[in-house]
Amino acid sequence: EDQVTQSPEALRLQEGESSSLNCSYTVSGLRGLFWYRQDPGKGPEFLFTLYSAGEEKEKERLKATLTKKESFLHITAPKPEDSATYLCAVQALLNYGGSQGNLIFGKGTKLSVKP
Amino acid sequence: ETGVTQTPRHLVMGMTNKKSLKCEQHLGHNAMYWYKQSAKKPLELMFVYNFKEQTENNSVPSRFSPECPNSSHLFLHLHTLQPEDSALYLCASSQVPRGRNQPQHFGDGTRLSIL
Repeated sequence: EDQVTQSPEALRLQEGESSSLNCSYTVSGLRGLFWYRQDPGKGPEFLFTLYSAGEEKEKERLKATLTKKESFLHITAPKPEDSATYLCAVQALLNYGGSQGNLIFGKGTKLSVKP
Repeated sequence: ETGVTQTPRHLVMGMTNKKSLKCEQHLGHNAMYWYKQSAKKPLELMFVYNFKEQTENNSVPSRFSPECPNSSHLFLHLHTLQPEDSALYLCASSQVPRGRNQPQHFGDGTRLSIL
């Protein structure tokens, strides 16, 4: 069964304190792994897509990496405006596994950055 | 307008009411999705429409009825809902890929409360 587990559930950082969020996944064949950011009262906002192990993507203070079993979202010198819930989702290759190529989401990591 | 727009943003209804949620996408995408987001749970995919055809119904109760009149509009008709249906309902759209997968883009959701 296709599955996504995110850790930790919640993370509190001081401004400038770098850290990483983890997304572990089980999927028969990975078509893509997606990171989203969700602010309270808003829908998820797309950040990155990763397709194969070893791939990395960067945007401002965020850097996403991918291995065959997990992805990390590294946050370098975070600011209070980085506070949000970060969601990870995987998409299986069509006709692999039970998810039929749809996105399977984790529960998210709620990040709080204090000034 | 750009992106994915959902109306209303908030809805309170009794269990015997009938109401509809509306979603409109201005991205030129050909696939649209309904998700349910409840506290402490991952996003749950409810329905998928590709080229206006429903391709997925993830065992959703019949009190939820989707409608997709064209590739830009999606509705979710609600009737005789239960208290456990209270949640954030998110609409998303994407371009069904021929090559690498394109991300789904989300609206800001309708916060539904069932009395």
